[in-house]
Amino acid sequence: TQLLEQSPQFLSIQEGENLTVYCNSSSVFSSLQWYRQEPGEGPVLLVTVVTGGEVKKLKRLTFQFGDARKDSSLHITAAQPGDTGLYLCAGARGGTSYGKLTFGQGTILTVHP
Amino acid sequence: EAGVVQSPRYKIIEKKQPVAFWCNPISGHNTLYWYLQNLGQGPELLIRYENEEAVDDSQLPKDRFSAERLKGVDSTLKIQPAELGDSAVYLCASSLGAGRETQYFGPGTRLLVL
Repeated sequence: TQLLEQSPQFLSIQEGENLTVYCNSSSVFSSLQWYRQEPGEGPVLLVTVVTGGEVKKLKRLTFQFGDARKDSSLHITAAQPGDTGLYLCAGARGGTSYGKLTFGQGTILTVHP
Repeated sequence: EAGVVQSPRYKIIEKKQPVAFWCNPISGHNTLYWYLQNLGQGPELLIRYENEEAVDDSQLPKDRFSAERLKGVDSTLKIQPAELGDSAVYLCASSLGAGRETQYFGPGTRLLVL
């Protein structure tokens, strides 16, 4: 059972275009993280969102946590070839599952020059 | 500061053979994780250690997989015997510990079982 559904699974765009990746769940998370992974490397943390409705910006990347803390989105403005990679969302829960991350299946982004 | 170190980076073995992966976490990180990642998928947790104690191994296939972190620092993950379906990337990650959810990942070991 995939607790976190990411969409789209694949995205192929031209340099300069905008894009949005979605991460949805029926479960509530105490926090949600976005990672970027390049081929042959491990995931690298981009951002952590904690508060429902929270918006964080990282240069051309904008991350939003849903009001109910069940979903999140990643928006990239004016995509560049260097943005190419696998984008993963991961949810963390509290209680006995504290520290355990549940990952989505990822979105493979390709930005063509 | 050095990141999470994993070795080997690549391993090719025949089915039914044993294989072991090694991980050295970031210095001072008490929590260590082993994940399995299939091609184009997100990582799935296999086991989590707090110091030398395995606090979550519910997803570890214990009939063929084993792990240890004897001194609470380095860790090894073993598969014996390996099956074709074990071909994947095995990622190690570490974090400071309870209450510190930022996990830092190593580059992974890519396993191919023939």
